[in-house]
Amino acid sequence: DGGITQSPKYLFRKEGQNVTLSCEQNLNHDAMYWYRQDPGQGLRLIYYSQIVNDFQKGDIAEGYSVSREKKESFPLTVTSAQKNPTAFYLCASSDRGSGEKLFFGSGTQLSVL
Amino acid sequence: GQQLNQSPQSMFIQEGEDVSMNCTSSSIFNTWLWYKQEPGEGPVLLIALYKAGELTSNGRLTAQFGITRKDSFLNISASIPSDVGIYFCAGPPSGTYKYIFGTGTRLKVLA
Repeated sequence: DGGITQSPKYLFRKEGQNVTLSCEQNLNHDAMYWYRQDPGQGLRLIYYSQIVNDFQKGDIAEGYSVSREKKESFPLTVTSAQKNPTAFYLCASSDRGSGEKLFFGSGTQLSVL
Repeated sequence: GQQLNQSPQSMFIQEGEDVSMNCTSSSIFNTWLWYKQEPGEGPVLLIALYKAGELTSNGRLTAQFGITRKDSFLNISASIPSDVGIYFCAGPPSGTYKYIFGTGTRLKVLA
């Protein structure tokens, strides 16, 4: 089955700890995206990548880092610098270009212990 | 960062009623996407629009790309209980790859 896999579904972070959220896609899409969703809110763009080894900051990149070493993978690290990390994190992918359809994974809920 | 304005924010309707919601932007869009999200899940694409004035249907759902290219509309006809969820509009402002999302319309259907 083609799709986007996010793991884990639930993740807990201790104070001062870095955690990494996984996103893998087998749709052969060039572009990948990370969004953050707070309760009752819309989606805000953290980072996006149009091609391997290249990525750009979105609107709320502070406290987060990404890498794009492989076409199918776009992991997101929530660093200790992110003081309010509790949120639902969504990964998406699309064909490269402006105006393509975005397809989403099922999300990771991150909570702070 | 920019977010798209959606209205209404939430609505309670009776089963069988029609629903209308809209999305507006201060920027011009070349593509409008409409999604539905259920609790704890990722958004699912409902309809994609690519030209000003375009009207596209997907079952009981109909969406339109506004003539000004700064707005879009979604209608749901004869609502059913499984239509419950949050509906988002989205798209990249013209000339960008940054897909931004609306604030969402929360729909609740009373049987």
